[in-house]
Amino acid sequence: GAVVSQHPSWVICKSGTSVKIECRSLDFQATTMFWYRQFPKQSLMLMATSNEGSKATYEQGVEKDKFLINHASLTLSTLTVTSAHPEDSSFYICSAWTESSYNEQFFGPGTRLTVL
Amino acid sequence: RKEVEQDPGPFNVPEGATVAFNCTYSNSASQSFFWYRQDCRKEPKLLMSVYSSGNEDGRFTAQLNRASQYISLLIRDSKLSDSATYLCVVNPPNVKLSFGAGTTVTVRA
Repeated sequence: GAVVSQHPSWVICKSGTSVKIECRSLDFQATTMFWYRQFPKQSLMLMATSNEGSKATYEQGVEKDKFLINHASLTLSTLTVTSAHPEDSSFYICSAWTESSYNEQFFGPGTRLTVL
Repeated sequence: RKEVEQDPGPFNVPEGATVAFNCTYSNSASQSFFWYRQDCRKEPKLLMSVYSSGNEDGRFTAQLNRASQYISLLIRDSKLSDSATYLCVVNPPNVKLSFGAGTTVTVRA
């Protein structure tokens, strides 16, 4: 099956610093990658949709200048949380989609971010 | 109204029991439906797609009711390993997925 990796799997940082999370599709080329955030006991909330070579599309209420997304290739998308604050602490999950996957998205293992 | 709503549970059942729960969705144009399973602090994993005629995968049965806009999941002969949060996922007419908040199932020995 399709494999998606994320790095790092967990990170602790100080308030005000920036954190970069990588999402890679290991054995397929992803047309689109999605970034989600999940707070405890809540559903996954889509933050943005990322297509290779174009600007990401952000969901309402998600600050594009705070959550920078770069989708440089068909196998790599990065999310940078800039000037992180404690309220940004969450579980960030990426997923990858390709046209042949019949609407199934393949999820990365997630990155747990804790901002002190 | 949320796009996808689920009973959060928890459903606490003994091993061997049958447990069933529903999920409702608001977008009548939704085309694809899925049940994902999420273990604590892990990513969601596809459990099964839900087809119009209903479908079964081993001990798991999924049903779709388009008229009432809900899908259901039934787990027969529950195992301890079935303990997880089950996410109802709906795909409106675009690539994005809408996730329910999940139904927690705990199977006890």
